[in-house]
Amino acid sequence: DSGVTQTPKHLITATGQRVTLRCSPRSGDLSVYWYQQSLDQGLQFLIQYYNGEERAKGNILERFSAQQFPDLHSELNLSSLELGDSALYFCASSVVSEGSYNEQFFGPGTRLTVL
Amino acid sequence: DAKTTQPNSMESNEEEPVHLPCNHSTISGTDYIHWYRQLPSQGPEYVIHGLTSNVNNRMASLAIAEDRKSSTLILHRATLRDAAVYYCILRDYRTNAGKSTFGDGTTLTVKP
Repeated sequence: DSGVTQTPKHLITATGQRVTLRCSPRSGDLSVYWYQQSLDQGLQFLIQYYNGEERAKGNILERFSAQQFPDLHSELNLSSLELGDSALYFCASSVVSEGSYNEQFFGPGTRLTVL
Repeated sequence: DAKTTQPNSMESNEEEPVHLPCNHSTISGTDYIHWYRQLPSQGPEYVIHGLTSNVNNRMASLAIAEDRKSSTLILHRATLRDAAVYYCILRDYRTNAGKSTFGDGTTLTVKP
């Protein structure tokens, strides 16, 4: 158990819909990362927040957005869902954002299926 | 970003050592070498990291070439629970961890 929790574990929805994925980082971790893992694309970095502020952006679509709240939990919002958005979505957390030792702890993931 | 190259797959017998190679010929002086692994149906987990010197921890050892253009993750006695995808990643300590890419990794199969 990494200490990072993600809800829900599974999500099935239809095209065009909007969903919210939630992540609670490890106690004391200020940085939260979101990743998408699909069969054909591997693990893709989407976005990172550090202490409530956006720190880095990866290959995140405009239909996707995220935020980190004052209690440090984070939500990833996916809208106008398409079949290709079906994937595993992982959240990771770390104590800091940069530095020589920046181990990331990953949650168990949310499996999103878009029908 | 500097990239890494790993074999797609490797096989090992249980209780034998496993050497997982990684090439990173464009590594910069500020890049740390990190290894993560992803067990089936789980999120990735940190294994080990290093800069120039070889490193050991309870999970594995990391051997880094003198020119730092390659490294090897060593599992001293593979168990069935070590079957996973192993990712070699370069992380520039001056930039945030999210900017490093995981690549395709090496799928390790451990045979009983």
